[in-house]
Amino acid sequence: ILNVEQSPQSLHVQEGDSTNFTCSFPSSNFYALHWYRWETAKSPEALFVMTLNGDEKKKGRISATLNTKEGYSYLYIKGSQPEDSATYLCASSSYNYGQNFVFGPGTRLSVLP
Amino acid sequence: DSGVTQTPKHLITATGQRVTLRCSPRSGDLSVYWYQQSLDQGLQFLIHYYNGEERAKGNILERFSAQQFPDLHSELNLSSLELGDSALYFCASSEIGTSPLHFGNGTRLTVT
Repeated sequence: ILNVEQSPQSLHVQEGDSTNFTCSFPSSNFYALHWYRWETAKSPEALFVMTLNGDEKKKGRISATLNTKEGYSYLYIKGSQPEDSATYLCASSSYNYGQNFVFGPGTRLSVLP
Repeated sequence: DSGVTQTPKHLITATGQRVTLRCSPRSGDLSVYWYQQSLDQGLQFLIHYYNGEERAKGNILERFSAQQFPDLHSELNLSSLELGDSALYFCASSEIGTSPLHFGNGTRLTVT
């Protein structure tokens, strides 16, 4: 079974700080990587779909990079706002695992005003 | 609104019982995934169906089974329920392999 790890487990930052977190996944037979934002009492919502080594995606103040050769992805949030408080999940998929998405445990971000 | 519908929203039942959770995927999505989130745990992959066929199983117990019907809705059947089966069960659908997953609101199962 695919093993997807995320660090840190949780993070507290001040409003206006920039922050980043890591997702690690097996690099062999890589298929795709997703990032999701999961607010309390809601369902996860997709942020980015990444498939190519060197991919960089951006949505507003949030961006992500992908390194499939070494098996990691970074998510960056610039100028954090209280509304960015959520759990950020990554999900990885590989060709030898039926292209199914296995989620990491998430990074819980709290942005203090 | 993700377009994925899960019913019921809440389910309370006793140990040893059997329940069925239902998921209607987003229009046009052929893939349906089931995930389990237990207390303080992340999303654990249970099973994936694509256009009616089982594609892969994750950490799904033998007491659990699922199917996807010709109209693409899916059902997750949980039998001989135990206290530890209490969890939030999510269904997600996607269009093609790399497409993002669209999650339903989940079914919260409480086994007493």
